[in-house]
Amino acid sequence: EDKVVQSPLSLVVHEGDTVTLNCSYEVTNFRSLLWYKQEKKAPTFLFMLTSSGIEKKSGRLSSILDKKELSSILNITATQTGDSAIYLCAGGTPISASYDKVIFGPGTSLSVIP
Amino acid sequence: GAGVSQTPSNKVTEKGKYVELRCDPISGHTALYWYRQSLGQGPEFLIYFQGTGAADDSGLPNDRFFAVRPEGSVSTLKIQRTERGDSAVYLCASSLGQYTGELFFGEGSRLTVL
Repeated sequence: EDKVVQSPLSLVVHEGDTVTLNCSYEVTNFRSLLWYKQEKKAPTFLFMLTSSGIEKKSGRLSSILDKKELSSILNITATQTGDSAIYLCAGGTPISASYDKVIFGPGTSLSVIP
Repeated sequence: GAGVSQTPSNKVTEKGKYVELRCDPISGHTALYWYRQSLGQGPEFLIYFQGTGAADDSGLPNDRFFAVRPEGSVSTLKIQRTERGDSAVYLCASSLGQYTGELFFGEGSRLTVL
């Protein structure tokens, strides 16, 4: 059965800290690793990773995939209170050439305190 | 519309009743997904539509759950004989006809079965 695991499940840090969120996956016919941010209700897309070792970066957020270890990390530097959210990791397995079935992990709940 | 729209936003029902949850995807998005999210967990895949047909319904928990998308746009998730364990947030997402990894989620329908 396809599975995505995340750690830690929750984390409390102070503003300005750097955090690393971990994700490991066991997904049949794995094609992509996805990160989403869920602040209130609707998850919003952060990154898609398909190749090992290539870092994707957006502002203070960055992520990298290790296909050998079946894992990924999401780094957030100089955290701000607005980074408080649940960070969801997901594995994508093809349903068709253009679409994936996306399997989510439980999420890491990040709280950034002033 | 500008985003994925889900109605109702909240639904309280009694055990044994029938409920329908509606999803109106972003115009032009051919792929539509239903997920279920319980408290403290990541979204759980239920069903995926490509156009009008259910390309993958492997996540539907049992035959009380059914979903349709008759004209390839709006989708309805139908739950018969609701049980307390069905209480969750039901999320709908849509995506473009090309693989980007990005799912656009609605705000969800919170279902409470008393």
